[in-house]
Amino acid sequence: SQQGEEDPQALSIQEGENATMNCSYKTSINNLQWYRQNSGRGLVHLILIRSNEREKHSGRLRVTLDTSKKSSSLLITASRAADTASYFCATDAQASGNTGKLIFGQGTTLQVKP
Amino acid sequence: EAQVTQNPRYLITVTGKKLTVTCSQNMNHEYMSWYRQDPGLGLRQIYYSMNVEVTDKGDVPEGYKVSRKEKRNFPLILESPSPNQTSLYFCASSYHNSPLHFGNGTRLTVT
Repeated sequence: SQQGEEDPQALSIQEGENATMNCSYKTSINNLQWYRQNSGRGLVHLILIRSNEREKHSGRLRVTLDTSKKSSSLLITASRAADTASYFCATDAQASGNTGKLIFGQGTTLQVKP
Repeated sequence: EAQVTQNPRYLITVTGKKLTVTCSQNMNHEYMSWYRQDPGLGLRQIYYSMNVEVTDKGDVPEGYKVSRKEKRNFPLILESPSPNQTSLYFCASSYHNSPLHFGNGTRLTVT
């Protein structure tokens, strides 16, 4: 069952612009994570935000979480060509009873043009 | 170096020929999991394991088996592969409720 749904599915921007990706989910969560995947490679963890947090920063990344709307956004500022990748949100549903089961969305494919 | 190692990276096989994809982690993680990734469907969880000898089904377990006899290893077994199991497979591990570390993937083709 899909928990996280990313929007948009694909995004193309120029280098230096900001990129915003959104994630919506269906059930209450313990935390929400964002991962990055370069083409055909394993996913790499970017940032984790807990259900009692509203915003988190890491370098050029900014993540927000709105539990009332069951949504999160990932903002990449001053994008670079090297940011070209797919980005996934993943949720750890409270209903899973703290099993640690993580459910991934379908991802947003970001292309940053030099 | 902390890592999750999957083997093989690429595998082409025929329908019905049993195969095993190995996964090993050197971080002493309790939690391990297998995912498959297909175009338009994202990552779907096949099986996961909370610790040694503790495994549970994910969202798409049919046609797969796993075992967790040792903490570091979590092999994925396809007893009788079928073409619909052609996919990109990822193993991942973590401490409980911590971010996942992924392997580099195994691209499986079943003809």
